[in-house]
Amino acid sequence: EAGVVQSPRYKIIEKKQPVAFWCNPISGHNTLYWYLQNLGQGPELLIRYENEEAVDDSQLPKDRFSAERLKGVDSTLKIQPAELGDSAVYLCASSLEGRGTDTQYFGPGTRLTVL
Amino acid sequence: AQSVTQLGSHVSVSEGALVLLRCNYSSSVPPYLFWYVQYPNQGLQLLLKYTTGATLVKGINGFEAEFKKSETSFHLTKPSAHMSDAAEYFCAVSEPGRRALTFGSGTRLQVQP
Repeated sequence: EAGVVQSPRYKIIEKKQPVAFWCNPISGHNTLYWYLQNLGQGPELLIRYENEEAVDDSQLPKDRFSAERLKGVDSTLKIQPAELGDSAVYLCASSLEGRGTDTQYFGPGTRLTVL
Repeated sequence: AQSVTQLGSHVSVSEGALVLLRCNYSSSVPPYLFWYVQYPNQGLQLLLKYTTGATLVKGINGFEAEFKKSETSFHLTKPSAHMSDAAEYFCAVSEPGRRALTFGSGTRLQVQP
């Protein structure tokens, strides 16, 4: 079974430029998560989808970040414009139903460097 | 609000020695508890989790953890460290009714030959 797929794996951009990250969850998983992982820290939730609905986006900085999950399968996270402080690893995860007991399966992440 | 504290950002052990990684949580209700491992340039992989039932949980790669409600702890142990155990380990909690994980800041485990 294929795991969570993310692309690109690495991205280097100049500040004020836009950037987008893509995630394809495990087949059949209806819940998808985007996490932000700063260097030396644990992941922090940005947004959680159940199917195509964003059910928890309270931690998403909506002035510059946006996300979508069309058709309830793959998802895109966008930053526009990027700032120096956005340099981090962006992790995507999926779970079968999104229950608190469910295992979340993580992709390898996209490492963003903003110059 | 729930939170997770991992004591020791770096732990170094000799190969064959006991591994003990500490995790304490604060939560208004008994939470669900998880340990994840992260190898360099990879995503997080579940080691084990506690939801209900037996408080001693066994996971992959010989790891286990015990939920101690009175101590609000969920420490991770392995009797004998292997070189391949070198990685970053994260403890996480999820309160019943909430569907998001709160992670600790991680502990980097080094295994010396």
